[in-house]
Amino acid sequence: DAKTTQPNSMESNEEEPVHLPCNHSTISGTDYIHWYRQLPSQGPEYVIHGLTSNVNNRMASLAIAEDRKSSTLILHRATLRDAAVYYCILRDQVAGSNYKLTFGKGTLLTVNP
Amino acid sequence: EAEVAQSPRYKITEKSQAVAFWCDPISGHATLYWYRQILGQGPELLVQFQDESVVDDSQLPKDRFSAERLKGVDSTLKIQPAELGDSAMYLCASSLGVKSPLHFGNGTRLTVT
Repeated sequence: DAKTTQPNSMESNEEEPVHLPCNHSTISGTDYIHWYRQLPSQGPEYVIHGLTSNVNNRMASLAIAEDRKSSTLILHRATLRDAAVYYCILRDQVAGSNYKLTFGKGTLLTVNP
Repeated sequence: EAEVAQSPRYKITEKSQAVAFWCDPISGHATLYWYRQILGQGPELLVQFQDESVVDDSQLPKDRFSAERLKGVDSTLKIQPAELGDSAMYLCASSLGVKSPLHFGNGTRLTVT
């Protein structure tokens, strides 16, 4: 499985934007970039995913580098409820791959009031 | 919003005993996953079902773990006999299809003494 590299931890202040980086230099053409987050004592929660173009939804934005070797999850205004572990995952969308979702250790985001 | 239900929420068992976890996915979700999460690490896929069929159990320790989804709806994960190293969070997830985002339950925290 293709691997991603994320910082172990990041800190942010409430109501400020947060940019969570992810490196995936060995990404293949069929890998989608997925982001999940895990709040304390809960299961992971889907955030966003994309292939090549930047993506926006109600939770966040995903900015993907032109060469696709890195991406950034953007939380536009962090709240205390955004404190969580954020996972950047490459998901192979080739038929027959079972579209496996393989989690790494993620980035622990702390939001300061 | 519909949720993935898991029970029990917590389980304490002695080494060499049998233990079982139950998962009820979101209605209509054909794909069901069991993940194991050791403290401080990301979730690791144990088994994936498509309807009632296993499509990936390559990481399931089959000498002691078993999983079933008899009618293609709810699922049970069993460990027999439990070992100290099995202490972890066991997460169930479901998705509409293999390419769809995963929806996770809040897990069962297993402690083996």
